Amino acid sequence: EAQVTQNPRYLITVTGKKLTVTCSQNMNHEYMSWYRQDPGLGLRQIYYSMNVEVTDKGDVPEGYKVSRKEKRNFPLILESPSPNQTSLYFCASSPGGGDSPLHFGNGTRLTVT
Amino acid sequence: SQKIEQNSEALNIQEGKTATLTCNYTNYSPAYLQWYRQDPGRGPVFLLLIRENEKEKRKERLKVTFDTTLKQSLFHITASQPADSATYLCALEGGYQKVTFGIGTKLQVIP
Repeated sequence: EAQVTQNPRYLITVTGKKLTVTCSQNMNHEYMSWYRQDPGLGLRQIYYSMNVEVTDKGDVPEGYKVSRKEKRNFPLILESPSPNQTSLYFCASSPGGGDSPLHFGNGTRLTVT
Repeated sequence: SQKIEQNSEALNIQEGKTATLTCNYTNYSPAYLQWYRQDPGRGPVFLLLIRENEKEKRKERLKVTFDTTLKQSLFHITASQPADSATYLCALEGGYQKVTFGIGTKLQVIP
């Protein structure tokens, strides 16, 4: 089954403790992206990647890192999480090209205390 | 600055009626516009894409229009059903495959 898989689904952590949210897609997609979703603010893009070893900042990249060493994986790294990073995070992928629909994972609900 | 506006107020509609959702944008010149459906706690699911040279696109009970002069897209669900209750998001590419979403409109179809 074609899908985008994120792990973990839920994560509770403390301020400053480094964490990684994994994202993997099995559709051989070129493009991958991370979003966070907050009430009243909608989906905001954090980082995106158009291909292996190519990443770019989205609208809210501060406090996040990403890497794209393999085509299928696009982990999101929070080096020193803070409470304002408490959010619902989504990974998405697409074949690439300006008009390709995005396929989303089921989300990771992160709470930073 | 670039802005995508959707009516953030919930839209309540009687079952069987046509629901119409609006997406307005400023400072974009999109080659296309996309609509997604999102259920609570789940990732958005792609519904329809319409290109700038297309005035209208249909898929089953869904219809999307795109007016680049008005900078507006309308999303219609005909013969609405309670199962259509969800939040609907429009999305635009702002260049370099940087896809930006509107805040979404929550649709509630009342039986």
